[in-house]
Amino acid sequence: NAGVTQTPKFQVLKTGQSMTLQCAQDMNHEYMSWYRQDPGMGLRLIHYSVGAGITDQGEVPNGYNVSRSTTEDFPLRLLSAAPSQTSVYFCASSRDSRDTQYFGPGTRLTVL
Amino acid sequence: GNSVTQMEGPVTLSEEAFLTINCTYTATGYPSLFWYVQYPGEGLQLLLKATKADDKGSNKGFEATYRKETTSFHLEKGSVQVSDSAVYFCALRDNTGNQFYFGTGTSLTVIP
Repeated sequence: NAGVTQTPKFQVLKTGQSMTLQCAQDMNHEYMSWYRQDPGMGLRLIHYSVGAGITDQGEVPNGYNVSRSTTEDFPLRLLSAAPSQTSVYFCASSRDSRDTQYFGPGTRLTVL
Repeated sequence: GNSVTQMEGPVTLSEEAFLTINCTYTATGYPSLFWYVQYPGEGLQLLLKATKADDKGSNKGFEATYRKETTSFHLEKGSVQVSDSAVYFCALRDNTGNQFYFGTGTSLTVIP
């Protein structure tokens, strides 16, 4: 098992550019989520999904889109990047929302 | 709303010292409570959890008791080791089971 994988590891964008952060898991987990980690703020939930075809907003969803077409993949899209989106992004998955979450290694994003 | 407050860091201790990291929460209903640990350059790993009042979570010598009367979930370890150096996050899962809220993290450094 590879667990939860995230790509890329690092990314630099210019303001207004778009990109997709990839997240995949091979554990057949139903629940997947995206967080951003900022200094002094801990982790904040962006979006989550309780299964393929079902997504919902977390605490800080603005500026981000998600979709869940398969159980394995949960990409996070930035349609028009802003400097305020400079952060470290973590994807996590679990068998269901009440089970232990497994985190990916993170993507460090800088928006200039 | 839901929120988690944990003590500010950084914390520096000598090896074999006693550790306490305070965590209090605000939530409606009966959340589940967690402690996660993040080692440098890695994602978060679950350290321990408690799902109802008076439950005690424990793992690797760490303990925390879910205290509903004081809305607290303090992390303790009797004798820390250099390998315990990491950032520790307190978190809660809300009533719906779908949303997680994290504290800001406490950085611990253990010196030999």
